[in-house]
Amino acid sequence: GDSVTQMEGPVTLSEEAFLTINCTYTATGYPSLFWYVQYPGEGLQLLLKATKADDKGSNKGFEATYRKETTSFHLEKGSVQVSDSAVYFCALNQNTDKLIFGTGTRLQVFP
Amino acid sequence: EAGVVQSPRYKIIEKKQPVAFWCNPISGHNTLYWYRQNLGQGPELLIRYENEEAVDDSQLPKDRFSAERLKGVDSTLKIQPAELGDSAVYLCASSPLVSGELFFGEGSRLTVL
Repeated sequence: GDSVTQMEGPVTLSEEAFLTINCTYTATGYPSLFWYVQYPGEGLQLLLKATKADDKGSNKGFEATYRKETTSFHLEKGSVQVSDSAVYFCALNQNTDKLIFGTGTRLQVFP
Repeated sequence: EAGVVQSPRYKIIEKKQPVAFWCNPISGHNTLYWYRQNLGQGPELLIRYENEEAVDDSQLPKDRFSAERLKGVDSTLKIQPAELGDSAVYLCASSPLVSGELFFGEGSRLTVL
């Protein structure tokens, strides 16, 4: 069945460092891909999305490109801030309105 | 615009006791979801409603879990009786019809002792 695999955390960075969180997926068709973020004490919220191959989703300085050839959707940010500390979830939707999530990656940014 | 509201935020019960969680979705969102998130894991779908109809409940443990969505708005998820392995965060989400983006509540954290 469809699945999402994320790199294990925690990812620990200093402020202004470059961030990459790897995400790969397995799907029979052409899913939409998402990154959700969960800040401490808050609910999951959509960070960015891409609906077809080579699309780039971006928001709040974060970017991810839908790579069909490598079945990947890696999350990147050029300069992280302490306020980016959260758990990041990669997810896919096989056009059924059902999101399948990865296990999440915790990011800790220190000043 | 108000977000998805869930209650209670936290619940501690002993095993074999019943528990219920309530969710009020964003106004106008036809689709409602219940997810379960175990510690250190991603959310997993329990049940999905389109208006008042449950269209995907294949992952709902029907021997002890039940859910309803009265009048296609609020929803209740019930566990009876609870087991130790039910300790988790129960997330409610809603979405406009066929949008792909889900809006989540803050979750209800259940601890079964």
